[in-house]
Amino acid sequence: QKEVEQDPGPLSVPEGAIVSLNCTYSNSAFQYFMWYRQYSRKGPELLMYTYSSGNKEDGRFTAQVDKSSKYISLFIRDSQPSDSATYLCAIWSSYKLIFGSGTRLLVRP
Amino acid sequence: NAGVTQTPKFRILKIGQSMTLQCAQDMNHNYMYWYRQDPGMGLKLIYYSVGAGITDKGEVPNGYNVSRSTTEDFPLRLELAAPSQTSVYFCATLDGTEAFFGQGTRLTVV
Repeated sequence: QKEVEQDPGPLSVPEGAIVSLNCTYSNSAFQYFMWYRQYSRKGPELLMYTYSSGNKEDGRFTAQVDKSSKYISLFIRDSQPSDSATYLCAIWSSYKLIFGSGTRLLVRP
Repeated sequence: NAGVTQTPKFRILKIGQSMTLQCAQDMNHNYMYWYRQDPGMGLKLIYYSVGAGITDKGEVPNGYNVSRSTTEDFPLRLELAAPSQTSVYFCATLDGTEAFFGQGTRLTVV
């Protein structure tokens, strides 16, 4: 079983829509969860980081961790064409930084 | 600060050739990582290092080797290149909770 799994998409939404991106993870001991954004032909960049469970908000972005179901989510409000990118969830455990397969998001003007 | 610098940016290798992908950082981070990213896929961890002199295998280490003699440098060695190693390779450092990535090396094995 993969340590973190993510629906690859692609996901296409109209501008202004609320976007929900999701991952599941295998080990209930994981504590550190991250979301990265990757534009085409670039390296990933950190969007959000959460420790343990609960929500964290930063502008239009909200990261949520549900430890009971081993589910992590990223919500994007009022999505913009500039949000079009690949979004990768990641966990950090035992010195390793492990990524999901990424979800490609397209926000149509 | 240059951050994380990877060289070369592009390379074409013939089957059976060897090469070293260079990664250098100037942020004094202890944790460093090598990933490969196949088209339309996520990042797969090849090797990682928690400090100079310490390295360990990730998810997909076969066909690769690393060394970490200094904090700054973390080269990735490909021996006997195979078409399955055609990919984009990213080096990253980790500062607490944030990873910093290089611009990647696009490798094609023909």
